[in-house]
Amino acid sequence: EVQLLESGGGLAQPGGSLRLSCAASGFTFTSQDMNWVRQGPGKGLEWVSSVDGTGAGTNYADSVMGRFTISRDNSRNTLYLQMSNLRAEDTALYYCTRNAGLDSWGPGTLVTVSS
Amino acid sequence: DVVMTQSPLSLPVTLGQPASISCRSSQSLVSSDGNTYLNWFQQRPGQSPRRLFYKVSIRDSGVPDRFSGSGSGTDFTLKISRVEAEDVGVYYCMQGTHWPRTFGQGTKVEIK
Repeated sequence: EVQLLESGGGLAQPGGSLRLSCAASGFTFTSQDMNWVRQGPGKGLEWVSSVDGTGAGTNYADSVMGRFTISRDNSRNTLYLQMSNLRAEDTALYYCTRNAGLDSWGPGTLVTVSS
Repeated sequence: DVVMTQSPLSLPVTLGQPASISCRSSQSLVSSDGNTYLNWFQQRPGQSPRRLFYKVSIRDSGVPDRFSGSGSGTDFTLKISRVEAEDVGVYYCMQGTHWPRTFGQGTKVEIK
């Protein structure tokens, strides 16, 4: 069974940083692209970033380009999202999702950016 | 960026009646490999999204056959033949052909 479990969310100040993690299990992690998708309070879904199976190929939404960095550790079956220079509008539930088709989702980790 | 426009944004439906959600893209979603990467997701209240369809009409495992996906190019539709209480939630389309990936605004399905 595919399992994705995000962690690392919490309260951060504007301009601050957080690192999100997603522990993956139940599938061959190295063979799958991975993604982060977020959902602001009461809002719709927003794709944030994707990384290919090797970690070499990455893509970002314009709203996070230059501030967020996606990466993965295939030896630990873990996906990361390093978030810096955080803004109030980054407040959201952050989901880890599997492959280009987003076929599996974790429960999410909540990030709140506030002073 | 490809803009995904869903309609309606709110859909009150009587139990047992059909429902239909439209999703239109600002550009063709036909990829250079010939595939059309259009997905549909369901998000029930308080839950994570769940994928229902990929490549327009391929149903994911466990999705009831009262759900169907169709369309081509820039015009896509999700249909529920007979709405059940468990279908309440928000439905999103998402294109996976172009970067950045983009979602529709969501359509909230509720029971009348």
